[in-house]
Amino acid sequence: ETGVTQTPRHLVMGMTNKKSLKCEQHLGHNAMYWYKQSAKKPLELMFVYNFKEQTENNSVPSRFSPECPNSSHLFLHLHTLQPEDSALYLCASRSDRDTGELFFGEGSRLTVL
Amino acid sequence: AQSVTQPDIHITVSEGASLELRCNYSYGATPYLFWYVQSPGQGLQLLLKYFSGDTLVQGIKGFEAEFKRSQSSFNLRKPSVHWSDAAEYFCAVVEHGSSNTGKLIFGQGTTLQVKP
Repeated sequence: ETGVTQTPRHLVMGMTNKKSLKCEQHLGHNAMYWYKQSAKKPLELMFVYNFKEQTENNSVPSRFSPECPNSSHLFLHLHTLQPEDSALYLCASRSDRDTGELFFGEGSRLTVL
Repeated sequence: AQSVTQPDIHITVSEGASLELRCNYSYGATPYLFWYVQSPGQGLQLLLKYFSGDTLVQGIKGFEAEFKRSQSSFNLRKPSVHWSDAAEYFCAVVEHGSSNTGKLIFGQGTTLQVKP
């Protein structure tokens, strides 16, 4: 139990579908992150939220739309994805009093057909 | 720009043998350095971290790492590897005194295979 829970763990969707990934953290942290992990590539930071405000968008295509309604929940809305978007999407959180340590969820494995 | 390099993509060691995973970073000031481990189908778990002070840091599961400023390295070591250590290992750096975004830069990872 890492304190960061991601659902669903696995998702298969067509290119025209709309789906969402959910992340919930039970650690009282104020910063939340989405990372993309593809085979043979380093982890890519997608979005950062601090106190519900987006502070980083790492040139992510608009077919990925994040939402952070409060400091405990983070969503990634998916629409009109491409097969190359298939990857493991990792959510993480961090305390604003910490010096950088991230706590990760177990990830959502996305397959786009 | 900051970067992290893990020169070894894949390493195989025998169970009971010692292990060293290499990590080099590119950053002018003293960075915050981390090692994470990822077992198959799992998220990343923090093994250890270095912020300041003693350059030899101890982590969980019997791992340690040594920060060497002169070599810009933060290599991970374990004296005796167990079969359960087979996983992917990531070195990461975050900018010291940043704007608190906590943005981590990850290396490409090293896959560790353990032979019986």
